[in-house]
Amino acid sequence: NAGVMQNPRHLVRRRGQEARLRCSPMKGHSHVYWYRQLPEEGLKFMVYLQKENIIDESGMPKERFSAEFPKEGPSILRIQQVVRGDSAAYFCASSPVREGNQPQHFGDGTRLSIL
Amino acid sequence: EDQVTQSPEALRLQEGESSSLNCSYTVSGLRGLFWYRQDPGKGPEFLFTLYSAGEEKEKERLKATLTKKESFLHITAPKPEDSATYLCAVQADSGGSNYKLTFGKGTLLTVNP
Repeated sequence: NAGVMQNPRHLVRRRGQEARLRCSPMKGHSHVYWYRQLPEEGLKFMVYLQKENIIDESGMPKERFSAEFPKEGPSILRIQQVVRGDSAAYFCASSPVREGNQPQHFGDGTRLSIL
Repeated sequence: EDQVTQSPEALRLQEGESSSLNCSYTVSGLRGLFWYRQDPGKGPEFLFTLYSAGEEKEKERLKATLTKKESFLHITAPKPEDSATYLCAVQADSGGSNYKLTFGKGTLLTVNP
């Protein structure tokens, strides 16, 4: 399967712990986007990255959340000191270029549950 | 701020009963409107991109159309396997961030055999 790969598919954390979500883009794609889907809400943009660069993190909470896309390896979304409100599905998408003439392709998400 | 509203929230059809889903949008300069399908426990699966008013795209039983204010996803003679949540999203010329997708909340379609 050459699609966007996310792991883990499900992650359970206790309040105060750290969550690390991984995303490997489709082959040939160098642009990665993270979205969050809260219950009864639409997907919301969080952050846009290219290799070794954060292009736009305007949708990401300024506290406790960080993202990276290193030269080698997957993109990582990191949530420190998780709280109940972080429970959501986190989706990663990738595209070969930035503009709208290429659609973003999504992975199957990580479902984060906070106890 | 870009806004996308989808209606109805949920739709139940009998197999073979054609219908349409609506996506109304308010953006400052539309770059593209996207339709995705999402099955339970899965990520959104890309269906169509529409760029300008009057454009239409078709794929099997689905046809998407676009006007300056809304898009319709027409489903002709649906089958139970068409049951899913259909998501609409827009990309707009918003301060240079034309890569962001703004999503609606989706329409949950159920097709009964």
